[in-house]
Amino acid sequence: AIRMTQSPSSLSASTGDRVTITCRASQGISSNLAWYQQKPGKAPKLLIYAASTLQSGVPSRFSGSGSGTDFTLTISCLQSEDFAIYYCQQYYTYPPTFGPGTKVDIK
Amino acid sequence: EVQLVESGGGLVQPGGSLRLSCTASGFTFSSYWMTWVRQAPGKGLEWVANIKPDGSEKYYVDSVKGRFTISRDNAKNSLSLQLNSLRAEDTAVYYCARIDGTVGSGWFDPWGQGTLVTVSS
Repeated sequence: AIRMTQSPSSLSASTGDRVTITCRASQGISSNLAWYQQKPGKAPKLLIYAASTLQSGVPSRFSGSGSGTDFTLTISCLQSEDFAIYYCQQYYTYPPTFGPGTKVDIK
Repeated sequence: EVQLVESGGGLVQPGGSLRLSCTASGFTFSSYWMTWVRQAPGKGLEWVANIKPDGSEKYYVDSVKGRFTISRDNAKNSLSLQLNSLRAEDTAVYYCARIDGTVGSGWFDPWGQGTLVTVSS
């Protein structure tokens, strides 16, 4: 199985900050990567697919980049509603696998 | 509105069984691959199983093979997950989701609200 890692595991930031989360795959996955946001007690929500395509309805302050093994999720100007856990997921091959998550909380 | 609603979770003893259901609305259910994903308390996301639109192909994570069965009833817009021989480590919130993207593989959107399965004596 492809192992997904994320860094950092957690970060503290302030509203208005630029935040970058990194996701790395144990082998190349082309651009077959999605990012999800999960808030406490809620289901995950798709933010980005195909590494850089913004899901409809997701604010443009979210962006994704990368291909192969290294990917990033950037929040350009952190808003209060963005404090959550972020997961990456590869769908290049079975089994689909998720990263361990990055918790973004308030500084 | 595209919507998925899970049901069927609850408390079950180790070795017991449970059947989870997911009812879909707002899209052509019979055209999509579907998936189950679980999340143990305080932990990350783990993919469990996928099923092809016509039900002819099914895939499972190794830890549930032979114990869990994914199925669907396209006439009822319904997805199911039969959980047998349950273990404490199966305790989790179980989510159903639609798979978008390339055939048999893709991103998960939308997700249901989840249903909690607790395996304990």
